[in-house]
Amino acid sequence: GESVGLHLPTLSVQEGDNSIINCAYSNSASDYFIWYKQESGKGPQFIIDIRSNMDKRQGQRVTVLLNKTVKHLSLQIAATQPGDSAVYFCAVSGGYNKLIFGAGTRLAVHP
Amino acid sequence: DTAVSQTPKYLVTQMGNDKSIKCEQNLGHDTMYWYKQDSKKFLKIMFSYNNKELIINETVPNRFSPKSPDKAHLNLHINSLELGDSAVYFCASSQITGGVSGYTFGSGTRLTVV
Repeated sequence: GESVGLHLPTLSVQEGDNSIINCAYSNSASDYFIWYKQESGKGPQFIIDIRSNMDKRQGQRVTVLLNKTVKHLSLQIAATQPGDSAVYFCAVSGGYNKLIFGAGTRLAVHP
Repeated sequence: DTAVSQTPKYLVTQMGNDKSIKCEQNLGHDTMYWYKQDSKKFLKIMFSYNNKELIINETVPNRFSPKSPDKAHLNLHINSLELGDSAVYFCASSQITGGVSGYTFGSGTRLTVV
């Protein structure tokens, strides 16, 4: 079946450091991958996405890396700020155009 | 302008009651979804409608009944509420013509069954 997993449930970093959040997926047919950020009391917000024909995509302070060989996805946040504190979800495409979400990683940024 | 809006934001009700959550999107998307987020933050899809047609119906008790009067609205009605229904319910929308793309989520409805 389809499943998405995260390596770490909680990640604590110092302000200014780089953060890396990892995600493993099981369905080799998945061709679309996306990261969401969820702040307390809010819905998930789009951060960055990548399709299977790419292995890297950069946004503002964020980079997504895709390794299809080992079915692994990562989100890198440069110069992490207190406002980056949230729960981060990876999601991968499944059948019927649905997104399957991972369990989430809580990022805690300390001053 | 809120892209995906759902009401109410909070809902506290007793076991056995029937309640509805409403969702509207003004993005012109063709597909809408309901997700349930449990206390451990796990997000699980419940239903999906494409242009008012049900396309995804995951293993959800038939006490949950979605209704889509038009492609901009997707409501969720829950009969005979149980304690285990307590969760945050998120509505989302996306444009799937041309392939899957990212969803835009509403801010959630926190349902508490007592």
